Amino acid sequence: QKEVEQNSGPLSVPEGAIASLNCTYSDRGSQSFFWYRQYSGKSPELIMFIYSNGDKEDGRFTAQLNKASQYVSLLIRDSQPSDSATYLCAVNRYNTDKLIFGTGTRLQVFP
Amino acid sequence: EPEVTQTPSHQVTQMGQEVILRCVPISNHLYFYWYRQILGQKVEFLVSFYNNEISEKSEIFDDQFSVERPDGSNFTLKIRSTKLEDSAMYFCASSSLTGGIPNEQFFGPGTRLTVL
Repeated sequence: QKEVEQNSGPLSVPEGAIASLNCTYSDRGSQSFFWYRQYSGKSPELIMFIYSNGDKEDGRFTAQLNKASQYVSLLIRDSQPSDSATYLCAVNRYNTDKLIFGTGTRLQVFP
Repeated sequence: EPEVTQTPSHQVTQMGQEVILRCVPISNHLYFYWYRQILGQKVEFLVSFYNNEISEKSEIFDDQFSVERPDGSNFTLKIRSTKLEDSAMYFCASSSLTGGIPNEQFFGPGTRLTVL
């Protein structure tokens, strides 16, 4: 079982729609959850992080965490073509430094 | 906005040669990291560094790798004898601390290492 699992996609959504990206993790000791965006050939760019169960909103982005189900998601409202990128889910276990990344979901927003 | 910088952006080397990848973390950050991403694969943790010593390392970070903070601003990754499979993007990241616990990590633009 992969530590952090994401559907590789591509997930295609029309401009203006809501994009929903999902991530599951295997380690119940995980405590911090991050979403990074990575454009092709570029470095990961932090979008949001979440530590507690529930929703956290930042502009057009909402992160959702359900620790009982070991599930974290990212919603992008009013998707724009510039949102087209690979979205990486990363998880940090309590008392460790490292981020464990999923393979990412490629999002395509078409006009 | 402060950012992590890395040099060079692209390094080409012959197998068996030593390379040093350089990073300047965000100035008030105290935790530093190296990750790598082989083309088409996921980002993998290599090592974390805090208070002038390695805090944690992965099984990838074997004896051919070393890290150093030679002065107050730079953070380096040395690969002693490069192998073909070391070809990857190497990302430096840094984070601040709150209550002794590292916060979210910010990544530099990366160094693309090509081993021939």
